[in-house]
Amino acid sequence: GNSVTQMEGPVTLSEEAFLTINCTYTATGYPSLFWYVQYPGEGLQLLLKATKADDKGSNKGFEATYRKETTSFHLEKGSVQVSDSAVYFCALSAGYSTLTFGKGTMLLVSP
Amino acid sequence: EADIYQTPRYLVIGTGKKITLECSQTMGHDKMYWYQQDPGMELHLIHYSYGVNSTEKGDLSSESTVSRIRTEHFPLTLESARPSHTSQYLCASSATEYRSPLHFGNGTRLTVT
Repeated sequence: GNSVTQMEGPVTLSEEAFLTINCTYTATGYPSLFWYVQYPGEGLQLLLKATKADDKGSNKGFEATYRKETTSFHLEKGSVQVSDSAVYFCALSAGYSTLTFGKGTMLLVSP
Repeated sequence: EADIYQTPRYLVIGTGKKITLECSQTMGHDKMYWYQQDPGMELHLIHYSYGVNSTEKGDLSSESTVSRIRTEHFPLTLESARPSHTSQYLCASSATEYRSPLHFGNGTRLTVT
């Protein structure tokens, strides 16, 4: 079946540090990959997506590249801000099945 | 800019009460979903619908029920609330197009005492 594994948190960084949140997946066929973000007290929002191998999704300074050879979709940002503190979810969509989410990674950024 | 609305945002209720969590969307999406989010943040799909009069159970067994009489409305009902139902409930919708992303509401935080 489909599954998503992402690094456990919390990830604690100082402002302007480099961020990487690892995500690997198992899926049949050629899934689409997503990163969602959940700010405190809110629902999830789509952050970025990639639909085929070697695609790079980007938004708000965040990037992730769909790596089929390593079955990975790691989230990166060059310089985090306090306002980036949130929970980040990696997810995949394969075939016509419902979305499969990872367990979420909390990011805490201190000034 | 949420186009998907959940009410109430917070609900504290006693054991044995019947409750309905409301979810409405204005995007005309055919697909709608209910997720339960545990304190450790993990999301569990409990119900989904691919259109009017269509409902399916999700990956996590739930004592709740859902209905889909109108495209825009997907309420979730608990006939008899228990403390084990205390959780955050998130509603989402998506377009029919293949692998469309989900749009989420802000959630209902339910506490059963």
